[in-house]
Amino acid sequence: GESVGLHLPTLSVQEGDNSIINCAYSNSASDYFIWYKQESGKGPQFIIDIRSNMDKRQGQRVTVLLNKTVKHLSLQIAATQPGDSAVYFCAESNDYKLSFGAGTTVTVRA
Amino acid sequence: NAGVTQTPKFRILKIGQSMTLQCTQDMNHNYMYWYRQDPGMGLKLIYYSVGAGITDKGEVPNGYNVSRSTTEDFPLRLELAAPSQTSVYFCASRGQGAGTEAFFGQGTRLTVV
Repeated sequence: GESVGLHLPTLSVQEGDNSIINCAYSNSASDYFIWYKQESGKGPQFIIDIRSNMDKRQGQRVTVLLNKTVKHLSLQIAATQPGDSAVYFCAESNDYKLSFGAGTTVTVRA
Repeated sequence: NAGVTQTPKFRILKIGQSMTLQCTQDMNHNYMYWYRQDPGMGLKLIYYSVGAGITDKGEVPNGYNVSRSTTEDFPLRLELAAPSQTSVYFCASRGQGAGTEAFFGQGTRLTVV
């Protein structure tokens, strides 16, 4: 079965606010944890990843936090924009394996 | 670079028919994957390949077959289509190693009636 899952299936955010998307995982042996964004009618697109020996990584407007103690992963999006409306998946990678959770649908309100 | 290209984009099959979903990548990636995505759900792994001539089953392989005769191509075969195979299918590829970025195709929306 799936070893990666998300806490909430939907998230509604006011434009300009920060978004936090959460994910729980169960496989402590994974080497990397990754966030993907899927816009309507398209394939998933890589956003950011974090290696299992790190606890924080920042990108452009995004930050991923990894808490190995409670097996929790989160994606923070700063100053959420309408273009951030999409489904967000967390995934875990271990050599060739790449497993996905169910996804959180983020809707940005104007 | 075109990245990962899937064909067709849409297809309607009758129960019992067969078809091949094509996937090709031009990034010289070793790892390739086929996933299916049911409405409102995540991606479930059907088959994967770590290189030409090597394939293995994922979570949901029943009803599907694959081959990997070249690095570039990874076709997915449905032999006897069933309504349960109605889904969106995504092909992905990435380089070798857990930290490499995966690139996805645009998907094939398949309906079995």
